[in-house]
Amino acid sequence: AQSVAQPEDQVNVAEGNPLTVKCTYSVSGNPYLFWYVQYPNRGLQFLLKYITGDNLVKGSYGFEAEFNKSQTSFHLKKPSALVSDSALYFCAVRDLSGNTPLVFGKGTRLSVIA
Amino acid sequence: NAGVTQTPKFQVLKTGQSMTLQCAQDMNHEYMSWYRQDPGMGLRLIHYSVGAGITDQGEVPNGYNVSRSTTEDFPLRLLSAAPSQTSVYFCASREGRDSSPLHFGNGTRLTVT
Repeated sequence: AQSVAQPEDQVNVAEGNPLTVKCTYSVSGNPYLFWYVQYPNRGLQFLLKYITGDNLVKGSYGFEAEFNKSQTSFHLKKPSALVSDSALYFCAVRDLSGNTPLVFGKGTRLSVIA
Repeated sequence: NAGVTQTPKFQVLKTGQSMTLQCAQDMNHEYMSWYRQDPGMGLRLIHYSVGAGITDQGEVPNGYNVSRSTTEDFPLRLLSAAPSQTSVYFCASREGRDSSPLHFGNGTRLTVT
């Protein structure tokens, strides 16, 4: 069965500093990996995805993520955090080996402090 | 485009009442799904549909029914509401390709007393 873990419930970072939100996954085959962001009282918005190819994926709002197959990780990163990046971030995975729906992690709340 | 539209935004039900959460999308997406979001639990899949006339159960389907008579609409029915169904419900859709990202509605906040 596929699963995804976000080991940190909360990440705090100072504005201007780099940020990392961690995600690890478990699938039996090859994964499709996604990051979504949720602002208060809104639905989730797509940030970026890894399907195949280059391990470093660039997405919206200056975010990027690095796929690491040996560590089964897909950490979200940004070189310089903004206060407006404060939100709830979700990692999601789909196993390509079966006809399975997308599975989400429990989310990590990012707080960027001015 | 409106994207994914959910109604109502808020709803309060008494235990045992039934209701339907509406979801419509105008992107001609084949795939539609319903999730519930609870604190500390992330998003859990309730039901999904890969096209009109086809539905399947997700991780937490008990107490919910769905149907997909058209491509655009995917209503979620609560048959007999229970306090455990107090949650925020999200409808999401995507193109038929497995690698396509989900597009989410803004959610329905449901309270069952």
